[in-house]
Amino acid sequence: DIQMTQSPSSLSASVGDRVTITCQASQDISNYLNWYQLKTGKAPNLLISHASNLEAGVPSRFSGSGSGTEFTFTISSLQPEDIATYYCQHFANLPITFGQGTRLEI
Amino acid sequence: EVQLLESGGGLVQPGGSLRLSCAASGFTFSTYAVTWVRQTPGKGLEWVSTISGSGAYTYYADSVKGRFTISRDNSKSTLFLQMNSLRVEDTALYYCAKGGNASGYEFDCWGQGSLVTVSS
Repeated sequence: DIQMTQSPSSLSASVGDRVTITCQASQDISNYLNWYQLKTGKAPNLLISHASNLEAGVPSRFSGSGSGTEFTFTISSLQPEDIATYYCQHFANLPITFGQGTRLEI
Repeated sequence: EVQLLESGGGLVQPGGSLRLSCAASGFTFSTYAVTWVRQTPGKGLEWVSTISGSGAYTYYADSVKGRFTISRDNSKSTLFLQMNSLRVEDTALYYCAKGGNASGYEFDCWGQGSLVTVSS
């Protein structure tokens, strides 16, 4: 199974800060990586697909980059509504696995 | 609007069974693979099972293989997860998720989840 190592596990930042989360795959997954936002009591939301593709309707302050084994998720200017837990997910093969999550606090 | 709505969760004893449903609307259900993903406080998100649009192909995580069965009724736009021989470690919030156009494994719409608690 491909292991996804996500860091940090939690992060405290201020409104307007640039926030970066990293995800490392245990083997080459090309660009088969997605990023999700989970808010308590709400359905999870796909933000970035295929490592860098911003989903329709997602604010442009969110971005993703990387390929192979190293990936980065960035919020360019943190907003109060970005309080959530963020997960990476690979889909290079089965089983699909997720990172451990990053809880973002303001 | 694309929507998914899970139901069927609840409290069940170890060894018991439960059947989850996921009602879909707002898209051509039979065209897309759909997936069950579960969330626990300790393990985060875990992929459980995926079924192809036609229902011909099914895939399972090792942790549930032989105990859970995924199925779908395309005439009713509904996804199911039959869970047998439930264990305490199956306790989780179960989400259904729609696959995207590219691979089926970019989950572009999720339900709000159905809570399953396995406890004596």
